[in-house]
Amino acid sequence: GAVVSQHPSWVICKSGTSVKIECRSLDFQATTMFWYRQFPKQSLMLMATSNEGSKATYEQGVEKDKFLINHASLTLSTLTVTSAHPEDSSFYICSPLPGTSNNSPLHFGNGTRLTVT
Amino acid sequence: RKEVEQDPGPFNVPEGATVAFNCTYSNSASQSFFWYRQDCRKEPKLLMSVYSSGNEDGRFTAQLNRASQYISLLIRDSKLSDSATYLCVLGGSYIPTFGRGTSLIVHP
Repeated sequence: GAVVSQHPSWVICKSGTSVKIECRSLDFQATTMFWYRQFPKQSLMLMATSNEGSKATYEQGVEKDKFLINHASLTLSTLTVTSAHPEDSSFYICSPLPGTSNNSPLHFGNGTRLTVT
Repeated sequence: RKEVEQDPGPFNVPEGATVAFNCTYSNSASQSFFWYRQDCRKEPKLLMSVYSSGNEDGRFTAQLNRASQYISLLIRDSKLSDSATYLCVLGGSYIPTFGRGTSLIVHP
């Protein structure tokens, strides 16, 4: 299966600072990357879809100026949480669009647990 | 109606028990179905795909009922290590759809 590396695994930051999360596809080219957020005891919620070389598509209610997504290459997509606040504390997970077909299973990065103090 | 519905549980069962989860979906055009396992503070990991004819992988059996629009997961001879949240995921469209997960707790 696809290997996806996500860094950092966890981060604690102060309110008002920015945090960058990287997601790398190690053995394939990811033209599309899904970014999810998961709060405790809740389902994964899609935040945005990033496409290599173009602007990301954000889900309703997700501020594009707060959650900056960059997908500059086929192997790297980044999510930057700008001016983080305690309510942004969550588990962030990336997942590339299955390469072969829409019927292929998803693979996920190992996730980033963000805690904003 | 939500696109994918799962009973959040928790299902609390003793070791060795058989337990089954269902997941109902509303989009009849869904083409692919999967069960994922998610441990606390970890990313979801693929447990098994669900095929129309049903499929088995060791103690795990997955089934699809297109007419009633649900998929199921049966776990036989539960182990303590089976304790986790089980997510159903629907594919086949550009953006996959997730259930909120069913929590399973296996106790000694």
